[in-house]
Amino acid sequence: AQSVTQPDIHITVSEGASLELRCNYSYGATPYLFWYVQSPGQGLQLLLKYFSGDTLVQGIKGFEAEFKRSQSSFNLRKPSVHWSDAAEYFCAVGSGGGADGLTFGKGTHLIIQP
Amino acid sequence: DAGITQSPRHKVTETGTPVTLRCHQTENHRYMYWYRQDPGHGLRLIHYSYGVKDTDKGEVSDGYSVSRSKTEDFLLTLESATSSQTSVYFCAISIGHKNYGYTFGSGTRLTVV
Repeated sequence: AQSVTQPDIHITVSEGASLELRCNYSYGATPYLFWYVQSPGQGLQLLLKYFSGDTLVQGIKGFEAEFKRSQSSFNLRKPSVHWSDAAEYFCAVGSGGGADGLTFGKGTHLIIQP
Repeated sequence: DAGITQSPRHKVTETGTPVTLRCHQTENHRYMYWYRQDPGHGLRLIHYSYGVKDTDKGEVSDGYSVSRSKTEDFLLTLESATSSQTSVYFCAISIGHKNYGYTFGSGTRLTVV
């Protein structure tokens, strides 16, 4: 069975500092990987996705993520965070051949300090 | 979110009563999903549908049923609501048969008292 681990429940970062959110997955085949962001009281918005090819993927809002097969990781990064980045971030994994749903991590709550 | 609407947005119901949540899409996508979100658990798949009258169970399907009689509507029913079903419910749609990423609705906050 596939699974996703986000080791950090909360992360606090100063505005303007760099950010890295960790995601480790367990999946038997080539995974389809996603990062979603959720602002309070809102639905989930797709930040970026990885299917194949270049292991460094660019997303919206200045985010990027790097797929490392050897480490089973798909960490999310941003060079300089803004106060508006404060939100809940979810990593997810899915299968490529079917559409039987995504498996989500439990989320990382990002707090931005002024 | 564009193309996907959940109703109601908020609902309070009593234990033991039936509840139906509706997800409506305007984009004619084949795949639709129901998730629940709970603190400390992330999102967990309840049921999904891969076409009209074609549905399957997800990770946490006990106590829930679904129906899809039209492409655009996917209904989630709690036959007899319990307090453990207090949660935020999200509907999602997917493009085609590949996991290109889902579009989520704005959610329904359900409280069972």
